[in-house]
Amino acid sequence: EADIYQTPRYLVIGTGKKITLECSQTMGHDKMYWYQQDPGMELHLIHYSYGVNSTEKGDLSSESTVSRIRTEHFPLTLESARPSHTSQYLCASSARTGGGNSPLHFGNGTRLTVT
Amino acid sequence: AQSVTQPDIHITVSEGASLELRCNYSYGATPYLFWYVQSPGQGLQLLLKYFSGDTLVQGIKGFEAEFKRSQSSFNLRKPSVHWSDAAEYFCAVRPYSGNTPLVFGKGTRLSVIA
Repeated sequence: EADIYQTPRYLVIGTGKKITLECSQTMGHDKMYWYQQDPGMELHLIHYSYGVNSTEKGDLSSESTVSRIRTEHFPLTLESARPSHTSQYLCASSARTGGGNSPLHFGNGTRLTVT
Repeated sequence: AQSVTQPDIHITVSEGASLELRCNYSYGATPYLFWYVQSPGQGLQLLLKYFSGDTLVQGIKGFEAEFKRSQSSFNLRKPSVHWSDAAEYFCAVRPYSGNTPLVFGKGTRLSVIA
């Protein structure tokens, strides 16, 4: 089993609140990712990082931000939550070694509802 | 633009029947190919992967997939489906350059009936 943890598992929050979704992995992986998964299942890459102090935006425009101060930790922050942010957020990581063959290991996700 | 297509949004099969989930990609060269499964309320779990060698790869839970270069396909198969296989299945590719994020298909939802 992959050792990647997301908290909280479920979150219901009011509009305008600031929230941080936590993601930690204990595998020493350099690469980490955040995906947003809509109700129709499709996964959208919103942020990724290839190492400490490295972050990139993904394919889907997002109002969230990320940081990568430590290898094992990749939190995602929404400064002001809106109902349009209601979704499932999946964190993943992969090893630098193995090149393109390295699979992603996923956490169990955070299901966010903004009221 | 690089893309991954899973033509079937939803498939229903009877328990014990065979299964094939389709995946096509559009890349110039052979990419790295993956299949993932997602159970309700969970993250994605790797079923199998391919990057070179034997074009028929075996994965976990009795799944296999066959890479066909001529068809740009990487279809997932299982000879006999179990009720516990009901889940969502995602095909994903990474270009051969390696240092880019995975591109996922939109997924296929599998339902299993008795």
